[in-house]
Amino acid sequence: RKEVEQDPGPFNVPEGATVAFNCTYSNSASQSFFWYRQDCRKEPKLLMSVYSSGNEDGRFTAQLNRASQYISLLIRDSKLSDSATYLCVVNIQAGTALIFGKGTTLSVSS
Amino acid sequence: GAVVSQHPSWVICKSGTSVKIECRSLDFQATTMFWYRQFPKQSLMLMATSNEGSKATYEQGVEKDKFLINHASLTLSTLTVTSAHPEDSSFYICSADLILAGGNTGELFFGEGSRLTVL
Repeated sequence: RKEVEQDPGPFNVPEGATVAFNCTYSNSASQSFFWYRQDCRKEPKLLMSVYSSGNEDGRFTAQLNRASQYISLLIRDSKLSDSATYLCVVNIQAGTALIFGKGTTLSVSS
Repeated sequence: GAVVSQHPSWVICKSGTSVKIECRSLDFQATTMFWYRQFPKQSLMLMATSNEGSKATYEQGVEKDKFLINHASLTLSTLTVTSAHPEDSSFYICSADLILAGGNTGELFFGEGSRLTVL
């Protein structure tokens, strides 16, 4: 079983749509959780951290369910500029390397 | 915010040559840097953990004699792909852990990546 699993997509949505991505992780000892965004041929960039209580940053909402080992990302009112690959990322312990999912590709069209 | 600079951003070389990639933390000290590799449509895979002043720790399946890592200072780690072959063509990305007064943040800052093409 892969450590971090995501549906690769692609998700093709029109502008203004709401889209949700899901992710599961295998190591129950994981401590930190993130969503990164990666544009084509670029390095990944942190989109947001994910906290147990759930957190929101503008149009983006992240949720964590430790019992189910499940992470989600909700994007509301999609913009063309949201088109990218979204990486679910887990950290077992601070100071160690991040573990990446394969990514979910989002394409927003006008 | 913290910045990690990676150089070169892309390189094309002939099979059998060696290529060195540099990773620098520009405004913070990084005792630990991580080297990842990403093949097309694949996830970032950790290759090795680079520790300042000591030997790197390699992930299973990564040849330490082929991928030489040197972390001689708190701001610089280098990855040398020795005797590169076409199957080594990939996107290599370094990252550094930002450590604040309270300890590790868990967030990594990434270099811009180096795209290697071996002919």
